[in-house]
Amino acid sequence: NAGVTQTPKFRILKIGQSMTLQCTQDMNHNYMYWYRQDPGMGLKLIYYSVGAGITDKGEVPNGYNVSRSTTEDFPLRLELAAPSQTSVYFCASSSLRRGSGNTIYFGEGSWLTVV
Amino acid sequence: QKEVEQDPGPLSVPEGAIVSLNCTYSNSAFQYFMWYRQYSRKGPELLMYTYSSGNKEDGRFTAQVDKSSKYISLFIRDSQPSDSATYLCAMKGIGTASKLTFGTGTRLQVTL
Repeated sequence: NAGVTQTPKFRILKIGQSMTLQCTQDMNHNYMYWYRQDPGMGLKLIYYSVGAGITDKGEVPNGYNVSRSTTEDFPLRLELAAPSQTSVYFCASSSLRRGSGNTIYFGEGSWLTVV
Repeated sequence: QKEVEQDPGPLSVPEGAIVSLNCTYSNSAFQYFMWYRQYSRKGPELLMYTYSSGNKEDGRFTAQVDKSSKYISLFIRDSQPSDSATYLCAMKGIGTASKLTFGTGTRLQVTL
């Protein structure tokens, strides 16, 4: 049972570099999300998608971009990395199916440090 | 004022104790209430899910929602060292446009 898979697990970036965090889910979920988690700040929604081809901004979208070309994949792109983007990133997915209870399933996380 | 307030802890209890974890919220539109457990260096996993007010029990875990007080609780009976984790409350309103709002999490340590 793979669930939500994120890569890489750890990454160090230099200021100004770009990178993509990959996320894939095998549960055929409509909704996918990217969150960041900072100490003492809880989980903040960066971007989300309600289905292939549809994405929307969350609470903290600045400095990030996403795409959703397939149901399974939802990559997060950092174009010009800044120290403020040092964080733990979680990809998640959920289903709109009745009885699913709005359950959000999270990946294992990606630890990103920008130096 | 944050929409969801949660004491960050850490909360340290001996094995076998009853643990009470709590969140308060300000948005009266919240109807779905969840508790997630997050082990160190892992993603959050859903522990309990409640719709509207009332209690829900699952093994050693009981979730309570008091909408009149805008207060939710998670009780853990007979706590075990394996319960040591950060517990996050989360809540949302009705409709697909409503997104989950998380508390900051309470770190729990159950000692032998």
